[in-house]
Amino acid sequence: QITLKESGPTLVKPTQTLTLTCTFSGFSLSTSGVGVGWIRQPPGKALEWLALIYWDDDKRYSPSLKSRLTITKDTSKNQVVLTMTNMDPVDTATYYCAHHLWQKAFDYWGQGTLVTVSS
Amino acid sequence: EIVLTQSPGTLSLSPGERATLSCRASQSVSSSYLAWYQQKPGQAPRLLIYGASSRATGIPDRFSGSGSGTDFTLTISRLEPEDFAVYYCQQYGSSPPDFGQGTRLEIK
Repeated sequence: QITLKESGPTLVKPTQTLTLTCTFSGFSLSTSGVGVGWIRQPPGKALEWLALIYWDDDKRYSPSLKSRLTITKDTSKNQVVLTMTNMDPVDTATYYCAHHLWQKAFDYWGQGTLVTVSS
Repeated sequence: EIVLTQSPGTLSLSPGERATLSCRASQSVSSSYLAWYQQKPGQAPRLLIYGASSRATGIPDRFSGSGSGTDFTLTISRLEPEDFAVYYCQQYGSSPPDFGQGTRLEIK
């Protein structure tokens, strides 16, 4: 049974750095073909893909946010960490992590965590 | 970068009717790596269809996907009350694996 759960601050100030952790179970991020991605959704708006890390440490980023994002994995802890620098109120959103397979896209999702950016 | 355009933006139908949702890509989607997700208020998205036409685990057979290249369709053959939600398509054949802007399926 695959599960994922996001954790991190619910409130950050403008210009601060956001660090989110995705803790998962039911799969290994050292298995060929497996990845974990981050997707966000501002209130009332569409899904936006942010970043993806694969079992072989290949990393992909949204071109529009690439300069602000870093994704890393800790296979021994079953965790993936996303950092986003220079947060702005427009970054207020629910942030999801999700299990990814090349063949099946994002097939398992965490419940999401709402991050508000405000002074 | 492939841009996905979903239509219509909102679809108003009644339970029992057939729903047809469209997703058009700005370039051909590699190997038909096109997925559909359903999202209900306050919930995470749920994978319905992957590979353009394969149903994910546990998805009822009233949901079907079709298409290739740049034009894809999600069909719900007979709407149940629980099907009214927002639907997103996503291409994952090339990076960035972006989503469409969504189609809201509402009760008429």
